[in-house]
Amino acid sequence: GENVEQHPSTLSVQEGDSAVIKCTYSDSASNYFPWYKQELGKRPQLIIDIRSNVGEKKDQRIAVTLNKTAKHFSLHITETQPEDSAVYFCAASTGALASGGSYIPTFGRGTSLIVHP
Amino acid sequence: EAEVAQSPRYKITEKSQAVAFWCDPISGHATLYWYRQILGQGPELLVQFQDESVVDDSQLPKDRFSAERLKGVDSTLKIQPAELGDSAMYLCASSLPAGRLNTEAFFGQGTRLTVV
Repeated sequence: GENVEQHPSTLSVQEGDSAVIKCTYSDSASNYFPWYKQELGKRPQLIIDIRSNVGEKKDQRIAVTLNKTAKHFSLHITETQPEDSAVYFCAASTGALASGGSYIPTFGRGTSLIVHP
Repeated sequence: EAEVAQSPRYKITEKSQAVAFWCDPISGHATLYWYRQILGQGPELLVQFQDESVVDDSQLPKDRFSAERLKGVDSTLKIQPAELGDSAMYLCASSLPAGRLNTEAFFGQGTRLTVV
C-alpha cells in the first residue's frame, strides 16, 4: 500500500517568515495530493490540493509543488501569521482521475507549525 | 454549509465494554471513511465505504471492530471489547466518488474515545 513520509514533525518560525513542509510517497499510481490543516481540538480541513497533471498550485500565501519523478510534494506558506499555527497533514491517494475508481487518501504523520509573533 | 455529523463528541468507557460511534455524511456523498487518529499522529484509515459496500477494511482490527452502512447513508463503527490502546480520536469523513472534480474528504468533528 501507499506510504507517506512527512517532515519535519515540528516547525517553529517567526511571524513573516516562510515555512516549508515536505512529503514523499511510495505509490507511483497516486495522483491526488491534498493538504489539511488541523487546529487544536478541531477537525482537519482541506487548505489546498494538487493533482498529478499539475506541477504547482498557488492560493494566496499558500502554494504546493509536486515532483512526480521524485515522488515528493511540498507545502509552502509565505508571510506566516500566528493564526497559521496548527498541525498540517499531507496525503496521497489514487483514483482522483479515474471514473468510478476508489479514492483512499493515506496521511502523513503531521507537522506542528508554530508561528511566533 | 453542509457538515459531516458525528456523535457522541466524547466517550469514556471501561475496557472490555462495547462502544459505538455514529456518523452522518454530507448529503449526496457516496464515499464514507472511518479514521483513527492517535494524539500527535495523522489519521489512519480503518474502513472505507462506497455506498453500502466496503471498499477497504484491510486496516480494521476485525476481531474487535466492526463497521456498517446498511442503507448507504449513515454509518456506525463498533468496538467490542474496548482495549486501553483504543483510546484515540475517531474521525468520520465523506466525499464524492472518485472521478468527480472535487474529491476532497470532509471531516466530522470526531469522537474522542477514552478507555479506562
